[in-house]
Amino acid sequence: GAVVSQHPSWVICKSGTSVKIECRSLDFQATTMFWYRQFPKQSLMLMATSNEGSKATYEQGVEKDKFLINHASLTLSTLTVTSAHPEDSSFYICSARGGGPGQPQHFGDGTRLSIL
Amino acid sequence: KNQVEQSPQSLIILEGKNCTLQCNYTVSPFSNLRWYKQDTGRGPVSLTIMTFSENTKSNGRYTATLDADTKQSSLHITASQLSDSASYICVVSGGGSYIPTFGRGTSLIVHP
Repeated sequence: GAVVSQHPSWVICKSGTSVKIECRSLDFQATTMFWYRQFPKQSLMLMATSNEGSKATYEQGVEKDKFLINHASLTLSTLTVTSAHPEDSSFYICSARGGGPGQPQHFGDGTRLSIL
Repeated sequence: KNQVEQSPQSLIILEGKNCTLQCNYTVSPFSNLRWYKQDTGRGPVSLTIMTFSENTKSNGRYTATLDADTKQSSLHITASQLSDSASYICVVSGGGSYIPTFGRGTSLIVHP
């Protein structure tokens, strides 16, 4: 089946640093990638949608200058949390979809980000 | 507004018992409905997907049903195992943009 690899799985860093999270589709071409944020006992909240080669579309309330998304190839998207602060601590999950809107999303295993 | 409501919020059952999780949605137009299993600290894993014309889909001990008229779905788990302890998320796609709408999930705990 389709595999999405997300790296790193766990990050602990100091307040003010920037953190990059990678999301790779290993055995299919991901025309669209999604980035989600999940707080404890909450459902996934969509942050942004990115199509390969295009600028990401951010959901309302998500700061595009804070959460930089790059989708430069059909197998890789990155999310960079810039100048991270403790309130940015969360579980970040990416998903990838090959083909059109009716195709399934395949999820990575998530990155737990802890900002001290 | 597209919404997906799941019930119960949490459920505790004994190993070997059956259980049924519910999902009601208002997403329109409807494209498909998926049930995901999310283990703690992991990404969601797809269990079933159903389109408008399908009303039952099975995956091992998991059986999902869909009533597109009443906009309701259920996930039935048979002979539960300890490894079934997880969050089960109902996701409905459609609504024009095809951006999936996520339910809050049902947290299932299976006790020995």
